[in-house]
Amino acid sequence: EVQLVESGGGLVQPGGSLRLSCAASTFTLSSYKMHWVRQAPGRALEWVSYMSYSASTIYYADSVKGRFTISRDDAKNSLYLQMNSLRAEDTAIYYCAREAILYNFDYWGRGTLATVSS
Amino acid sequence: QSALTQPASVSGSPGQSITISCTGTSSDVGGYNYVSWYQLHPGKAPKLMIYDVSNRPSGVSNRFSGSKSGNTASLTISGLQAEDEADYYCSSYTSSSTPYVFGAGTKVTVL
Repeated sequence: EVQLVESGGGLVQPGGSLRLSCAASTFTLSSYKMHWVRQAPGRALEWVSYMSYSASTIYYADSVKGRFTISRDDAKNSLYLQMNSLRAEDTAIYYCAREAILYNFDYWGRGTLATVSS
Repeated sequence: QSALTQPASVSGSPGQSITISCTGTSSDVGGYNYVSWYQLHPGKAPKLMIYDVSNRPSGVSNRFSGSKSGNTASLTISGLQAEDEADYYCSSYTSSSTPYVFGAGTKVTVL
């Protein structure tokens, strides 16, 4: 069974940083396109970032561009999201998701909550 | 503001059928057959229910079906069951600057 487990969320002050992790089981991350998607409290899902198989193509939502960085450690079979200059509006559950079917997210993790508050 | 329009809520009695709409534009829903639907239960991982407009992943009940007409996609749940009570989101590829867009979400209530 495909498993994605996010971690690294927590409470951080505005302007601070967090690094989220997503550990994959039973499949090799580098063989798939991977994404981060978030859901703010009471709000809709919002796509955040994408990394291609080769890690050569990366996209970000305009709302996080210049502040967030997606990366991958193939030895650890893990995906990361470095979040800097955090704002209150970045408060959300952050999910990692796999794209095995073109433009569809076939497996997701349960998410990790990042709270930005003073 | 989400780019795809969904009704905030839809409800039905057990055994009934309900349909959730997802309206976009020719730059997303209407222009590509890359519409998917996700089921969200609190505290659980989101689940892919329909991909490429009308395809069901292995393991998803055949009570769930998808379709599209013009700029509007639809998810139909037939034989509604208590376990279907959840939030449902549509998603589409889009030719805009960010290639993935979600709907605003629909809360399904089983009466």
